[in-house]
Amino acid sequence: SQKIEQNSEALNIQEGKTATLTCNYTNYSPAYLQWYRQDPGRGPVFLLLIRENEKEKRKERLKVTFDTTLKQSLFHITASQPADSATYLCALGPETGGYQKVTFGTGTKLQVIP
Amino acid sequence: NAGVMQNPRHLVRRRGQEARLRCSPMKGHSHVYWYRQLPEEGLKFMVYLQKENIIDESGMPKERFSAEFPKEGPSILRIQQVVRGDSAAYFCASSPPGQGIDTQYFGPGTRLTVL
Repeated sequence: SQKIEQNSEALNIQEGKTATLTCNYTNYSPAYLQWYRQDPGRGPVFLLLIRENEKEKRKERLKVTFDTTLKQSLFHITASQPADSATYLCALGPETGGYQKVTFGTGTKLQVIP
Repeated sequence: NAGVMQNPRHLVRRRGQEARLRCSPMKGHSHVYWYRQLPEEGLKFMVYLQKENIIDESGMPKERFSAEFPKEGPSILRIQQVVRGDSAAYFCASSPPGQGIDTQYFGPGTRLTVL
C-alpha cells in the first residue's frame, strides 16, 4: 500500500527566509499531488495542486515541485511571515485512471519566528 | 456561496450514548468525505459518499460507525455506544461532481468529547 512521509518534526524558520517542506511517497504513482494548510482548531484549506506531468507550480509566495522519479514533492514559502505558521499537509491524488480519492500525509508544523 | 458547514462544532457525550455529526456540503457538491483527526496526528480517512451511495468505507470501523448522504439533507456520521477512544475532531469535506481532480473543501470540524 502507498506510504506518505512528511517531516514529523516541526520546522522553525526566521521571518524573511524561505521555508522548504518535504513530502515523500512510496509504492504509488499519483496523477496529482496537493498541498493544504491547517491552522489549529480549523479544517485544512487547499493551497496548490500539481499534476504528474508538471515539474513546478507557483502561486504568489508559494512554489511546489514534483519529482515523479524521486517520488518527492517540495513545498516552498519564500519571504516567510509569522502568519505562515501552520501545519502543512501533502495529499496524493489517485493513480491515473484510478478512483477519485486523495490520501493525506500527517503534516509538517511550520513556525516562522519574527 | 457558503462553505462546508458542520454541526455541532462541539459535542460532549457520555460513554454508551450516540453521537450524530452533520455535514452540509458546498452548494453543487455531490461528494462528501469524513475524516478523523487526533491531536498532533494526521487526517485519517473514514468514508467517501456520493448522494445516496457509499463509495468507500474502508477507513470506517465496522462496528458502531455508520454514515449516510441522503438525497435531501446533510450527510450524517453516526457513532453508536461511544467510547472514550472516539474522542477526536471529525472533519467533513466536499468536492464537486465529475471525474478528475478532487480538490476537497473542508468544514470547521466537530470536536467530540466522550466522558
